[in-house]
Formats: sequence, structure tokens, C-alpha cells
Amino acid sequence: EAQLVESGGGLVQPGGSLKLSCAASGFTFSLSGLHWVRQASGKGLEWVGRIRSKTNDYATAYIASVNGRFTISRDDSKSTAYLQMNSLKTEDTAVYYCATTTIVDDAFDIWGQGTMVTVSS
Amino acid sequence: SYDLTQPPSVSVSPGQTASITCSGNELGYKYVSWYHQKPGQSPILVIYHDNKRPSGIPERFSASNSGNTATLTISGTQAVDEADYYCQVWDNSSWVFGGGTKMTVL
Repeated sequence: EAQLVESGGGLVQPGGSLKLSCAASGFTFSLSGLHWVRQASGKGLEWVGRIRSKTNDYATAYIASVNGRFTISRDDSKSTAYLQMNSLKTEDTAVYYCATTTIVDDAFDIWGQGTMVTVSS
Repeated sequence: SYDLTQPPSVSVSPGQTASITCSGNELGYKYVSWYHQKPGQSPILVIYHDNKRPSGIPERFSASNSGNTATLTISGTQAVDEADYYCQVWDNSSWVFGGGTKMTVL
């Protein structure tokens, strides 16, 4: 069964850093793009960014509000992707999901369970 | 950036047909996906490429997309279908979600 498992969430002060991990199993991780999507409490889903496969040069893309602060990377040997978050702001507080697209490139068919990130002093 | 608009809420009686709309500029030229999400759970893909169902999604879920509006239709709605529903498109190297619709089955 295809699965994604996030870890690394927690409480961090504004201006601090946090690194999330997303461990994949049950599908060919190295061939798949990996995305991060967040959801603030009581709010909707917001795509954060993605990293493509080696075939696509590990290209990354981000929403404007995190560009320059967040970095997505991956280690295909460990079937794991990462979200490095720096200069965190209170508005970054959310549940962070990793998700992937194994059916088509524009729809997320596998999601992790999410990890909570709270930015507060 | 591209905007997708959904009604905040819809309600439907059990066994009836529910329709949830998603509006965007020239949306019919884009592929629309739909997800449902129950409280405390991760989203689940129920429709991709406008009207295709992933394996395991019941046939009562269908969808269409034309002009500026995409519509998710749930036939014979069941209590288990009560959830938040989100539409989503890919646009200019970004993945965009609608604001979500809370569907109540009562």
C-alpha cells in the first residue's frame, strides 16, 4: 500500500526554523514529484511547493509567501523528502501534509497524515 | 494568481443528489480535481481530470467541467459523504485549491 508519513512538526518561535520529513513507501518514490500542502486550523488547503524527480532535475517551485524562506529537498536513497522552513512567521502555523501524484501530475492521490507546525512566542 | 470560488456550504438529504460548484476564469480549459476531507483526516482524491474516479471511489461521485464552472455531483448521498470538499487545478506551475465547501447531510 502506498503511504506517506510526515514527521518533525512542533512549536517554534517566530523567526525560528524547523525541518519536516516525509517518508514514502509502497510506490516508486524516485519517479514521483513530491508536494507540500498546508492547512491552517479551520481553513482551506494551500499548496506550498513541490520538488520534481531526478528525471526532471529535481526542479522546485513555491508559493510566493514562502519563496526564499522554505526549501524542499529529497533523498531518493531513503525515499524521503524534506521541507526546511526558515524565518518562520505566525501565519505559517498549520498542519503540513506531504502529497504525491502517481496517477497524473496535476492531482494528489496519496497524502500523508499531516504534522502540526505552531509558530508562536 | 488564479482563483477558484466555491460556496461555503451545501446541505442535502440522505439519498438525494448533491451538487458542489467551483468557479474560475475559463476553468473549462483546465483539468479540475476534487477532494473530500473529514475532520481530523487527510484529504482524499475523488475526481481527477474533470471526471475520472480513482480506484476505490464509489460510482455515485461524478463531475463535469465547462465554461467557467466545474461541478461535483454526488448521487444517492450517504451520511458518510458529509465532509469538506475542495476543487483544485494546476495553473502556471502552481497547484491552486478552492476555498472549500462544507457539505452537510441531514
